[in-house]
Amino acid sequence: NAGVTQTPKFQVLKTGQSMTLQCAQDMNHNSMYWYRQDPGMGLRLIYYSASEGTTDKGEVPNGYNVSRLNKREFSLRLESAAPSQTSVYFCASSRGGQGIYEQYFGPGTRLTVT
Amino acid sequence: QQQVKQSPQSLIVQKGGISIINCAYENTAFDYFPWYQQFPGKGPALLIAIRPDVSEKKEGRFTISFNKSAKQFSLHIMDSQPGDSATYFCAAKGDDKIIFGKGTRLHILP
Repeated sequence: NAGVTQTPKFQVLKTGQSMTLQCAQDMNHNSMYWYRQDPGMGLRLIYYSASEGTTDKGEVPNGYNVSRLNKREFSLRLESAAPSQTSVYFCASSRGGQGIYEQYFGPGTRLTVT
Repeated sequence: QQQVKQSPQSLIVQKGGISIINCAYENTAFDYFPWYQQFPGKGPALLIAIRPDVSEKKEGRFTISFNKSAKQFSLHIMDSQPGDSATYFCAAKGDDKIIFGKGTRLHILP
């Protein structure tokens, strides 16, 4: 099992450009999440999908959109990148359901917006 | 009410010592309290977790102490080793979401 995979690993964008971060999991998990990690700020939830076909906003959704393409894949799109979106982005998944809460994280995408 | 406050921001401990990281929360509806460990360049990974009906959970050198009345919980790392040097996040689960603390950068001196 590869677990949670993310592409790309690194990306540099100019202000106003768009891009999509890809995430896939092979653990048959129901729930998937997108976080951003900034120095001294911890992990902040951008969007999550509790199950296939549903998505919900997290703590910092502005400037982002998501698509739960199928049970395996959950993508994050930046329509018009801004320097404030320079961050490390982590995708995570969990089995979901009663009492099953452990989240498995991908290796992250390091995004720089100039 | 959705915050999880973590302290200290950074911690330096001698090899063999005890590392202690503290967290506090406000929302009494939180029902699951995990700790995640993150090494540089990697994603976080679950280290140990506790539910509010238990006051302590121990796994090897790692122990969570939970005080429901004070709404506080802490991670103790016994016999700290250089390989424990990492960033540690406490967290709390509410609804479908997990709220993370801001992290503690732990450095164990050899």
